[in-house]
Amino acid sequence: SQTIHQWPATLVQPVGSPLSLECTVEGTSNPNLYWYRQAAGRGLQLLFYSVGIGQISSEVPQNLSASRPQDRQFILSSKKLLLSDSGFYLCAASDERNYGYTFGSGTRLTVV
Amino acid sequence: EDKVVQSPLSLVVHEGDTVTLNCSYEVTNFRSLLWYKQEKKAPTFLFMLTSSGIEKKSGRLSSILDKKELFSILNITATQTGDSAIYLCAVNLYGNKLVFGAGTILRVKS
Repeated sequence: SQTIHQWPATLVQPVGSPLSLECTVEGTSNPNLYWYRQAAGRGLQLLFYSVGIGQISSEVPQNLSASRPQDRQFILSSKKLLLSDSGFYLCAASDERNYGYTFGSGTRLTVV
Repeated sequence: EDKVVQSPLSLVVHEGDTVTLNCSYEVTNFRSLLWYKQEKKAPTFLFMLTSSGIEKKSGRLSSILDKKELFSILNITATQTGDSAIYLCAVNLYGNKLVFGAGTILRVKS
């Protein structure tokens, strides 16, 4: 089964600072990878998904970018954080073969 | 545009009550519908529904899908304070992309 490692668990960053959140996946190869953001107490919004190394699709225009340098590594970045980037960020992986969808433990980002 | 709508947005009940949470969807390339429970961190999987009219059950929770009317319900009977959480409905599209609803915040009072 898939396991997702996501870090850090919490992060407080000043406005204008850069961001890098990392997610790695174990237990599968060639997974689809996803970054979601959740505003306080609400549903998940898909930000980016990737079907392979170097292949990134963006769902919403924003101040963030994503990269997939290796098959099981997915990175969410920003050059300059905005207050509106605050939220709970979840990495997820899916395996096309068995419908499985696994979430990481999330990063709570507060931009101050 | 693919859309998943949940209702109600929030709900407060007393222990022992039965609740019904609703999820309707308008999507292309439907593959399955999933329910998740989220407390403090990552959502935890409850049910996956692919066929109409077949109830999935786990303890006090049950769920059913209507693919003709494009909705699903999640029932919780004899609610407990531990059921307090955000309940998320998501539709899995071909290509394995999940589209989430906004969630229902359930609070069970003792």
